[in-house]
Amino acid sequence: DAKTTQPPSMDCAEGRAANLPCNHSTISGNEYVYWYRQIHSQGPQYIIHGLKNNETNEMASLIITEDRKSSTLILPHATLRDTAVYYCIVRGYSNSGYALNFGKGTSLLVTP
Amino acid sequence: EAQVTQNPRYLITVTGKKLTVTCSQNMNHEYMSWYRQDPGLGLRQIYYSMNVEVTDKGDVPEGYKVSRKEKRNFPLILESPSPNQTSLYFCASRTGQGYGAFFGQGTRLTVV
Repeated sequence: DAKTTQPPSMDCAEGRAANLPCNHSTISGNEYVYWYRQIHSQGPQYIIHGLKNNETNEMASLIITEDRKSSTLILPHATLRDTAVYYCIVRGYSNSGYALNFGKGTSLLVTP
Repeated sequence: EAQVTQNPRYLITVTGKKLTVTCSQNMNHEYMSWYRQDPGLGLRQIYYSMNVEVTDKGDVPEGYKVSRKEKRNFPLILESPSPNQTSLYFCASRTGQGYGAFFGQGTRLTVV
């Protein structure tokens, strides 16, 4: 699986958009980009994933650059409950096994 | 409600006393797995299962056993727990490759 690089921490004001970047310059053609978050020792929560096209769901939007070497998770109107560690994971569709390599993630603090 | 349920949520036990942490999912998912989370080491996969009676080792399988006799259940067994297995454990399931995973709420295990 391709390695990902995320900033260790970010701040965001409540109500503003939170844009969380992720670099995955070694991503291969069949690898998806997944985002999860973990709120203080709770189970990780799946947010969104994508292959090439931008994706949007009720939680967030995922913007993947055309060369697929980086992506951005966007929380359009961050709330205090979005304070969490956000993990960007790259994983191939055809990989055997099942491990999600969470890495260290980005600790997002949403402030009032 | 779609969910992954782990029990117990908290457990303190003594070295050598066999224990089982149960995991059950109600989504008819094929894939299930166990992770442990330790400070500074992130989430690491212990074992995974791709379907009933199909299990395989993850990154840190030593000291653990699993079984998958039914699709919905994937118990984690510690035959002879040791203090280095003190950790936060998560069970996860998903329907297949290319889908997000659902995680349980976690089991905090302390072995003294």
